[in-house]
Amino acid sequence: DAKTTQPPSMDCAEGRAANLPCNHSTISGNEYVYWYRQIHSQGPQYIIHGLKNNETNEMASLIITEDRKSSTLILPHATLRDTAVYYCIVRAGNSGNTPLVFGKGTRLSVIA
Amino acid sequence: GAVVSQHPSWVICKSGTSVKIECRSLDFQATTMFWYRQFPKQSLMLMATSNEGSKATYEQGVEKDKFLINHASLTLSTLTVTSAHPEDSSFYICSAHTNTEAFFGQGTRLTVV
Repeated sequence: DAKTTQPPSMDCAEGRAANLPCNHSTISGNEYVYWYRQIHSQGPQYIIHGLKNNETNEMASLIITEDRKSSTLILPHATLRDTAVYYCIVRAGNSGNTPLVFGKGTRLSVIA
Repeated sequence: GAVVSQHPSWVICKSGTSVKIECRSLDFQATTMFWYRQFPKQSLMLMATSNEGSKATYEQGVEKDKFLINHASLTLSTLTVTSAHPEDSSFYICSAHTNTEAFFGQGTRLTVV
């Protein structure tokens, strides 16, 4: 079973920031928070991951609360191409032989 | 970054025939690959874990004789859907991992008619 809970859907206006929340209250100390997204009829695409510090890359920012029980993925300037299902997944580091367990994710719709 | 290539991206086959889907890690070696299935408006469900040089391990409810997995090299795993039926129509996705990251193929949409 997935160890995360996310809202089923969200809307965001094009050009605005999209803030996608995720609860992972049972996360263990060695588990990272990963975010993937899946655009329709494609394989999941890696976005970002973090352990406890906030992270930023060219796609997004990841804010993790101090107690690590929740996190927020931020797309700073959402475009129509960001419309996708976003999955928040917790996964132990150095777990190359462990599959990702997908929850239901959040369906983000970016609206013009 | 690492790339996983899946082929074909879509296939239509007749009931009773078999279909093979290939998953390749293009610039890294993967002793383990994973196969997922995704029905419309649902999330990815793990079907099986493909292990190089040994038998695959299947999730509960997945028929190993129907979904044959071969992982003969460190860069290639194949999934063969045998005696396909319309209910096998789905989106099949493979993944391969490095120590820290998971990479996914583009997916294969199988339609059985």
